Amino acid sequence: AQRVTQPEKLLSVFKGAPVELKCNYSYSGSPELFWYVQYSRQRLQLLLRHISRESIKGFTADLNKGETSFHLKKPFAQEEDSAMYYCALIESGTYKYIFGTGTRLKVLA
Amino acid sequence: NAGVTQTPKFRVLKTGQSMTLLCAQDMNHEYMYWYRQDPGMGLRLIHYSVGEGTTAKGEVPDGYNVSRLKKQNFLLGLESAAPSQTSVYFCASSRGSYGNEQFFGPGTRLTVL
Repeated sequence: AQRVTQPEKLLSVFKGAPVELKCNYSYSGSPELFWYVQYSRQRLQLLLRHISRESIKGFTADLNKGETSFHLKKPFAQEEDSAMYYCALIESGTYKYIFGTGTRLKVLA
Repeated sequence: NAGVTQTPKFRVLKTGQSMTLLCAQDMNHEYMYWYRQDPGMGLRLIHYSVGEGTTAKGEVPDGYNVSRLKKQNFLLGLESAAPSQTSVYFCASSRGSYGNEQFFGPGTRLTVL
């Protein structure tokens, strides 16, 4: 069955430290993967998608098909990065999104 | 553009009461979704719709019904609310093509006593 796993519920780092939020997936076929972010008192919004190969707010994510991972990385964390982060994939054919359980990132001053 | 809007923002129900949550989008999106967000559980899909007049079950459909009579609206109904349905409910819409992002509403916080 298709599944997205985010093993960390909470990740705390100091400002300026590197950040890596882990995401592993289980999917038969070529996955389409996303990272969504929810800042305090704001709605969920797209952070980045793997097909775009873009860097948003300093974050990048590389799809590793061998390890079935799509980890989110940023070299230097900022306090404004504190938020809830969700990894998600689209199920082909149905266009249903499958979300992970989310990781709360806290960046400490 | 208002994007995706949800009505109401907050609601408190007693066990057994019924209610309808309304989601509206003005982006002409084909696909609409209802999720519930619970601590430690992430976002779980309740029902979704691939177009006007169509609906399909998601991961946790029991206790909920939906309707998509107009393309821009997606209604989520609770016929007999239970405390286990206390949650934050999010609506989302997308164009539906592979790779398209979902646009989310602000959420509805529902408490069932």
